[in-house]
Amino acid sequence: GQSLEQPSEVTAVEGAIVQINCTYQTSGFYGLSWYQQHDGGAPTFLSYNALDGLEETGRFSSFLSRSDSYGYLLLQELQMKDSASYFCAVTSGATNKLIFGTGTLLAVQP
Amino acid sequence: DAMVIQNPRYQVTQFGKPVTLSCSQTLNHNVMYWYQQKSSQAPKLLFHYYDKDFNNEADTPDNFQSRRPNTSFCFLDIRSPGLGDAAMYLCATSRARENRYEQYFGPGTRLTVT
Repeated sequence: GQSLEQPSEVTAVEGAIVQINCTYQTSGFYGLSWYQQHDGGAPTFLSYNALDGLEETGRFSSFLSRSDSYGYLLLQELQMKDSASYFCAVTSGATNKLIFGTGTLLAVQP
Repeated sequence: DAMVIQNPRYQVTQFGKPVTLSCSQTLNHNVMYWYQQKSSQAPKLLFHYYDKDFNNEADTPDNFQSRRPNTSFCFLDIRSPGLGDAAMYLCATSRARENRYEQYFGPGTRLTVT
């Protein structure tokens, strides 16, 4: 079967750094994406890793290790608006279809 | 602005009464997806169209059907909604060429079954 595991909840304070881990077991792996979803909103794309290593986009960075079937999303200088659910997702196949992880609810406290 | 539009945003239907949700896009993307998302769960892919080619997920119930009459529009038909089909239905698009991989999601349709 296919599975992506994430911690269910993470709590951090404003200004801090938080890392959200994702381990996956899938077939047809093309890359690992991260999406943010605020309560009641649609998922929005954050980052994508096809190769091993770190990708940086502003305050967000994402890491992938294909040999370990593992990735993480790093959020720096946390802001209250970062409180949301974060999903890792495997891109599976040439049609970019996504298999989503279990999701991590991030709560940023003052 | 280019975007993914879903109508209606909220839909109430009765148990067993067919319902159709619609999605349109102005991004000219060649792939359109339908996801089901239940409360506090991850989006689950139901099916997708790559151009005109329909791709069903193995565990999508037969109760769910889809149509894509042209590049811009895609419909989700639920033939006989059950209480367990109450969820947020998300439409997304992607350009599956030119090494583009991100998906663009519409705001979703929240379906209530009474």
